[in-house]
Amino acid sequence: DSGVTQTPKHLITATGQRVTLRCSPRSGDLSVYWYQQSLDQGLQFLIQYYNGEERAKGNILERFSAQQFPDLHSELNLSSLELGDSALYFCASTETVTYNEQFFGPGTRLTVL
Amino acid sequence: SQQGEEDPQALSIQEGENATMNCSYKTSINNLQWYRQNSGRGLVHLILIRSNEREKHSGRLRVTLDTSKKSSSLLITASRAADTASYFCATQGGSEKLVFGKGTKLTVNP
Repeated sequence: DSGVTQTPKHLITATGQRVTLRCSPRSGDLSVYWYQQSLDQGLQFLIQYYNGEERAKGNILERFSAQQFPDLHSELNLSSLELGDSALYFCASTETVTYNEQFFGPGTRLTVL
Repeated sequence: SQQGEEDPQALSIQEGENATMNCSYKTSINNLQWYRQNSGRGLVHLILIRSNEREKHSGRLRVTLDTSKKSSSLLITASRAADTASYFCATQGGSEKLVFGKGTKLTVNP
């Protein structure tokens, strides 16, 4: 158990809908990263927050947004969902901004029908 | 876009044998990490090797890094059925984000 929690575990929704994925980092970790794992694209970095501020952005679609709250939990919002958004979404956390291992949550499996 | 390519894509061995996976990457790095993923579950960090290191050991794992060839290898010795999983290399370079390879699916047969 990494100490990172993600809810929900599974999410099934329809095209055009909007969903929110939630991540609670390890106690004391200030940095949160979001990754998407899909069959065709593999594991891709989406976005990073550090202490409430956006720090880095990857190949995140404009339909996706994220934020980190004062209690350091983070939410990833996915809107106008398409079939191709079906994937595993992981968050990871680290204590600070650091070149070091990241601690991953169990992921949220999103299925868009 | 992905940084690394793992080789082979899939590997099937018998318990007790050694498993070797290779990873190549494209740009300069601060470190290279290996992660393990059991079927559809979260990623577990295995080992990190920094760009100024050439070899690192952790239990039954041995990692090498050749920055001149932009490649790394992960050796798992005396494999067990419980080692069955997908293994990913990931690099950190100009930022803290991890850039992953496509992974090697390892099957260890009892």
